[in-house]
Amino acid sequence: AQSVTQLGSHVSVSEGALVLLRCNYSSSVPPYLFWYVQYPNQGLQLLLKYTTGATLVKGINGFEAEFKKSETSFHLTKPSAHMSDAAEYFCAVRMNTGGFKTIFGAGTRLFVKA
Amino acid sequence: DTGVSQDPRHKITKRGQNVTFRCDPISEHNRLYWYRQTLGQGPEFLTYFQNEAQLEKSRLLSDRFSAERPKGSFSTLEIQRTEQGDSAMYLCASSQDRVGNTEAFFGQGTRLTVV
Repeated sequence: AQSVTQLGSHVSVSEGALVLLRCNYSSSVPPYLFWYVQYPNQGLQLLLKYTTGATLVKGINGFEAEFKKSETSFHLTKPSAHMSDAAEYFCAVRMNTGGFKTIFGAGTRLFVKA
Repeated sequence: DTGVSQDPRHKITKRGQNVTFRCDPISEHNRLYWYRQTLGQGPEFLTYFQNEAQLEKSRLLSDRFSAERPKGSFSTLEIQRTEQGDSAMYLCASSQDRVGNTEAFFGQGTRLTVV
């Protein structure tokens, strides 16, 4: 069965500092990988996704993530945090067979200090 | 914008009452998913439909929960005899089973509060 582990339920950075949110997955076959952002009382917004091809993917708002198959990781980074980045971030996997359902990690709440 | 639409956005109900939520997927999408998200957690899969057929149900979906997608378009999720533990955000997503379509698109969710 697929699962997603996000290391750190809370991450705090200063404005302008590097953002690093960690995600590891378990899957018997390479899945599709996603990062979503969720603001309070809002739905999920897709930040970026990896399906095939280039392992470094760029998303919206300056975020990027790198798929490392050997490490089964898909960490999210942003070179310089902005106050507006404060939100909940979810890593997710989706199999490209069977039910195609999306499995989410527990989430990491990002705090940005002025 | 013809994204996934959920109604209502918020629902407050008394314990023991029945509630029903509606999801309208993106029009050409044949797959529809329901998720539940409790405070501080990631969304958890509940069930999914391919067209009108309900193909998988999570063990989280107790007997008090029922979902339908009668004509393969919109879907409803009903919770009978609500309990305080049912308080959560209920998210709907849809996708198209076609090569090159890689993600599900999520609605804004229905937040249920059981008092």
